[in-house]
Amino acid sequence: NAGVMQNPRHLVRRRGQEARLRCSPMKGHSHVYWYRQLPEEGLKFMVYLQKENIIDESGMPKERFSAEFPKEGPSILRIQQVVRGDSAAYFCASSKSGTDTYEQYFGPGTRLTVT
Amino acid sequence: GQQVMQIPQYQHVQEGEDFTTYCNSSTTLSNIQWYKQRPGGHPVFLIQLVKSGEVKKQKRLTFQFGEAKKNSSLHITATQTTDVGTYFCAGRFTSGTYKYIFGTGTRLKVLA
Repeated sequence: NAGVMQNPRHLVRRRGQEARLRCSPMKGHSHVYWYRQLPEEGLKFMVYLQKENIIDESGMPKERFSAEFPKEGPSILRIQQVVRGDSAAYFCASSKSGTDTYEQYFGPGTRLTVT
Repeated sequence: GQQVMQIPQYQHVQEGEDFTTYCNSSTTLSNIQWYKQRPGGHPVFLIQLVKSGEVKKQKRLTFQFGEAKKNSSLHITATQTTDVGTYFCAGRFTSGTYKYIFGTGTRLKVLA
């Protein structure tokens, strides 16, 4: 049973370009969380999605950032017009349910570097 | 706002010594989870606590959830070099949101 998959693992973008980060949840999981982690800091919640629905995006900047989880295919976190401050590790996690009884399984992360 | 504080930020111990990290919330939590992240790795789920006063053990690790469900602790007995990493707590608040708020983490270094 494959775990949570994220790609790319490393992404380099110049300022002003777009970054697309993909997350395929574990088989059977329909709930996806996205987190951002700066070096030597904790994980900051960005967005929680179910298939075709954004449930909670309270942690996501209102501009330049968007997320989706289509019926078919991976969840995508999109960052438009990247700036140096967007450089971070972005982790997605999936769970079986959105209720409070299921643990989150994290992917290996995408390390975004903005030059 | 809803915050989860974690102390200490760093801890260096000699191999064989015990280690404890503490997690405190400003408001009551619905449940709390603990994760371990190795350097360069991703968070890995360790345990979940749901009930007030709950205590769970995993070999050398003991997890506690406070009576008021506002604090939690992770204690490691007789640390080993394999325990190196950052330990995070993650709390879900009773206000009905689905998101988890992660603590700032405690980075553990074990000296052989």
